[in-house]
Amino acid sequence: GENVEQHPSTLSVQEGDSAVIKCTYSDSASNYFPWYKQELGKGPQLIIDIRSNVGEKKDQRIAVTLNKTAKHFSLHITETQPEDSAVYFCAASIRGTSGSRLTFGEGTQLTVNP
Amino acid sequence: NAGVTQTPKFRVLKTGQSMTLLCAQDMNHEYMYWYRQDPGMGLRLIHYSVGEGTTAKGEVPDGYNVSRLKKQNFLLGLESAAPSQTSVYFCASISNRGNDEQYFGPGTRLTVT
Repeated sequence: GENVEQHPSTLSVQEGDSAVIKCTYSDSASNYFPWYKQELGKGPQLIIDIRSNVGEKKDQRIAVTLNKTAKHFSLHITETQPEDSAVYFCAASIRGTSGSRLTFGEGTQLTVNP
Repeated sequence: NAGVTQTPKFRVLKTGQSMTLLCAQDMNHEYMYWYRQDPGMGLRLIHYSVGEGTTAKGEVPDGYNVSRLKKQNFLLGLESAAPSQTSVYFCASISNRGNDEQYFGPGTRLTVT
């Protein structure tokens, strides 16, 4: 089955700096790659996603890049703010198959220091 | 539109006791999922359902059973709880039409002593 690895497990940045979180996946058939943000005591919430026919996607301060050949994708947050502090999860799935099952990375605890 | 709701929010069980976690969604979604989240291990899929009356095993199904008698509800059962099942449980759902975003519930924190 699919295996997703995520690095780093913790990341601390100063407010205004950029943050980058990287994930690799094992199944070349995976074609959907979402990123979730989880705040303390809450369920994960989708912040951005990318499909395998696109190399990069941007939404304001958040961007995701995908390298299908190397089987890795990354989350980029620019101009970080204290409210960006949370746990971030990457995931991968094969869209269109029965169930669209997601395999998650282990998460990155991002801390943005004021 | 409440989205995905989970009941209860917290529960403490003794080893060997049983309980059922309820997940409900009001978005008319076809697919529903149960995950468990443990420190440092991300979310792992326990069971999932692609429609009313159908269920399937995920990555870590042992010790759990599920039922999807109604489209809007997905129940997760623990017949004989074990300390290893201490975890935070999340339910999620998606439509099988349109985007693939999984909508998560707020979670159930379960402690088995």
